[in-house]
Amino acid sequence: AQSVTQPDIHITVSEGASLELRCNYSYGATPYLFWYVQSPGQGLQLLLKYFSGDTLVQGIKGFEAEFKRSQSSFNLRKPSVHWSDAAEYFCAVGATSGNTPLVFGKGTRLSVIA
Amino acid sequence: DAGITQSPRHKVTETGTPVTLRCHQTENHRYMYWYRQDPGHGLRLIHYSYGVKDTDKGEVSDGYSVSRSKTEDFLLTLESATSSQTSVYFCAISLYDGEQFFGPGTRLTVL
Repeated sequence: AQSVTQPDIHITVSEGASLELRCNYSYGATPYLFWYVQSPGQGLQLLLKYFSGDTLVQGIKGFEAEFKRSQSSFNLRKPSVHWSDAAEYFCAVGATSGNTPLVFGKGTRLSVIA
Repeated sequence: DAGITQSPRHKVTETGTPVTLRCHQTENHRYMYWYRQDPGHGLRLIHYSYGVKDTDKGEVSDGYSVSRSKTEDFLLTLESATSSQTSVYFCAISLYDGEQFFGPGTRLTVL
């Protein structure tokens, strides 16, 4: 069965500092991997996705993520955080056949301080 | 953007009352999903549908039923609401490449 672990429940970073949010997954084959962001009181917005190919994927809002098969990880990074990045971030895994339910991690809440 | 609406957006009900949440899409996508979101749990799958009248259970399906009589509508029913079903409910559709697009959510409070 698929599973996703986001080890950090809450992270606080200073505005302008770099960010890395961790995600580890369990899946028997090459997975589809996603990062979603949820601002307070809002729905989920896709930041980026990995299906195959280049293991470093670029997303919206200056985010990137790197797929590391050997570590079963798909960590999200941003070189310089803005106050508007404060939100909850969810990593999710899906089957490579597509059109299957996603399994989500429990989320990491990001706070940004001045 | 895929068009998904959820109704109602907010609902307060009492224990034991039946509740139906509606998800409506305008893009004719085949796959639709219902998730619930609770603090500390992320999103968990309740039920999903892979076509008209074709549905299957998810991780937390107890106490919920679904119906899909038209491609565009996917209904989630709580036959007899309980306080443990207080949550935010999200509907989603699968786009052509497996990416899921989410609706705005329904906040349900069961007193």
